[in-house]
Amino acid sequence: EAGVTQFPSHSVIEKGQTVTLRCDPISGHDNLYWYRRVMGKEIKFLLHFVKESKQDESGMPNNRFLAERTGGTYSTLKVQPAELEDSGVYFCASSYGTAGSGANVLTFGAGSRLTVL
Amino acid sequence: GENVEQHPSTLSVQEGDSAVIKCTYSDSASNYFPWYKQELGKRPQLIIDIRSNVGEKKDQRIAVTLNKTAKHFSLHITETQPEDSAVYFCAASIISGGYQKVTFGIGTKLQVIP
Repeated sequence: EAGVTQFPSHSVIEKGQTVTLRCDPISGHDNLYWYRRVMGKEIKFLLHFVKESKQDESGMPNNRFLAERTGGTYSTLKVQPAELEDSGVYFCASSYGTAGSGANVLTFGAGSRLTVL
Repeated sequence: GENVEQHPSTLSVQEGDSAVIKCTYSDSASNYFPWYKQELGKRPQLIIDIRSNVGEKKDQRIAVTLNKTAKHFSLHITETQPEDSAVYFCAASIISGGYQKVTFGIGTKLQVIP
């Protein structure tokens, strides 16, 4: 099966510009998560979708970040306007979402590295 | 919310030696503890996990232990090989039905010296 795919793999933008990151989860996975890792720090939770609904967005840093998951398939994470501290690697992960062995295992994408200059 | 502490942040071992990474968590409701390995330039991948009703789990050269009372869990890698070199993340999660919120540790960069 196809894994979790993310695009772009690397984006370099200037402060104040806008960037949109995309994540295509594994087909059939209801749960979609966004995480961010700043250099040398933990993989930090941003938000969680169940299908098209935001289950938990407590990790979103501020209102410059907007995540959507139209139709419960792929998701986008937009940063507008970008600031220097937004630099990092943004990971997307998905999981089945039903009870049972293996259902809760997160499968990660390769990440989108964002560099804000 | 949950807080996961992980140490050491870096670890160098000679090939063939053992490596141990330790984590603590704060929320006693956490019931699932996965470990992820991220090789350079690649995605984090699950290598082993343990649930709160189990104290120890082993898979070939990798083992995890969990002490619920002390809120400690550890990863043990025996007979390390150069391909074990990577960043390892511990995590604590509360699973409710099919949904979960995973909190990660800071990561441990393991270097296995040939």
